[in-house]
Amino acid sequence: QQPVQSPQAVILREGEDAVINCSSSKALYSVHWYRQKHGEAPVFLMILLKGGEQKGHDKISASFNEKKQQSSLYLTASQLSYSGTYFCGTEEVANSGYALNFGKGTSLLVTP
Amino acid sequence: EAGVAQSPRYKIIEKRQSVAFWCNPISGHATLYWYQQILGQGPKLLIQFQNNGVVDDSQLPKDRFSAERLKGVDSTLKIQPAKLEDSAVYLCASSRRTGGARAISYEQYFGPGTRLTVT
Repeated sequence: QQPVQSPQAVILREGEDAVINCSSSKALYSVHWYRQKHGEAPVFLMILLKGGEQKGHDKISASFNEKKQQSSLYLTASQLSYSGTYFCGTEEVANSGYALNFGKGTSLLVTP
Repeated sequence: EAGVAQSPRYKIIEKRQSVAFWCNPISGHATLYWYQQILGQGPKLLIQFQNNGVVDDSQLPKDRFSAERLKGVDSTLKIQPAKLEDSAVYLCASSRRTGGARAISYEQYFGPGTRLTVT
């Protein structure tokens, strides 16, 4: 089942912070985050496994609340290079090992 | 480590024609996926292979789409005949296992995609 992402779009000034949310009505085993720039393939950012683990990568971090079936992606002190569309992909417990269900994406624009 | 390779990068065909896409996954990745991404939306799975066996093809329009993975490495996706609504980017991805003893999942790496336009 397709997860729901919010917001649909965000415009930031360089240096500001943003949070992107991803929620599902199904029990989740893992949540994957990707960033896609226009005309390019999605690029893997991080994966969060069942267990509420929070991961980080440079100034981008994420959390996974398995009780609420929600994940949030945190972009701190945003840079121009952060612009793109962010997708969450969810792996359901019932279909663990199968392909991801991707949300519709959140468009992020960072301006100077 | 070389990434996922796809060809062609772009293809324009008329409706009712046929087209084929090729994918070479990252070396050692047993799982291969084909996704369809329509403009403004997230990738949608068409078919998933584990080595050369099909794991999930429930969303593949089998009356016109077919896919195979020879010898568990390269894969081809074919559309015959194409429809206007098939215009999209076709992404191939491969994955490796990640996680420890407690939890296992699969990081997916995408190729550059093939942009198909059906006129």
